Amino acid sequence: NAGVMQNPRHLVRRRGQEARLRCSPMKGHSHVYWYRQLPEEGLKFMVYLQKENIIDESGMPKERFSAEFPKEGPSILRIQQVVRGDSAAYFCASSSGQGSSNSPLHFGNGTRLTVT
Amino acid sequence: AQSVTQLDSQVPVFEEAPVELRCNYSSSVSVYLFWYVQYPNQGLQLLLKYLSGSTLVKGINGFEAEFNKSQTSFHLRKPSVHISDTAEYFCAVSSNQAGTALIFGKGTTLSVSS
Repeated sequence: NAGVMQNPRHLVRRRGQEARLRCSPMKGHSHVYWYRQLPEEGLKFMVYLQKENIIDESGMPKERFSAEFPKEGPSILRIQQVVRGDSAAYFCASSSGQGSSNSPLHFGNGTRLTVT
Repeated sequence: AQSVTQLDSQVPVFEEAPVELRCNYSSSVSVYLFWYVQYPNQGLQLLLKYLSGSTLVKGINGFEAEFNKSQTSFHLRKPSVHISDTAEYFCAVSSNQAGTALIFGKGTTLSVSS
């Protein structure tokens, strides 16, 4: 499967624990986007990364959330000290070009985070 | 900044009926427009996109959309729906400037019944 791979598909964490969500972009893609989906709210943009660089993190909460896309390996979205409000589906998307202009986003199947 | 409004949160229709899912956008710059479909427990799949040129865009699964600049709309249509079209549909916009992310609407749930 050459698509965007996200793991785990489901993640359960207790309040206060850390959640690490992984995303391997499509082969040849160097641009990664993270979105959060809450019921009735659609997808909210969180962060846009290229290899080793954060390009736009305007949608990321200022505290507890961080993202990286190292030179080698998958992109990681990290949530520290999770709270119940962090429960959501987190989607990763990748593209080959600059933003979405001529290279539409390809989405993974998401990680569903449940905080108990 | 761009924003997207999907005017209907839920659209129930009968099989073989036509359907229109409405989408309006706002932007101070030129935009690209997209429709994505999401089936349960899956990611989003691109249905169609408008970048430039003809305002009528045809996509997969028999869907089409028309870009109307004066009304800032990009409504999605299908002349005859199937049960398998039941899904959530998202309209999205981005500016035509490099390095900008897609902004999504809240989605419209299309429910097709027999």
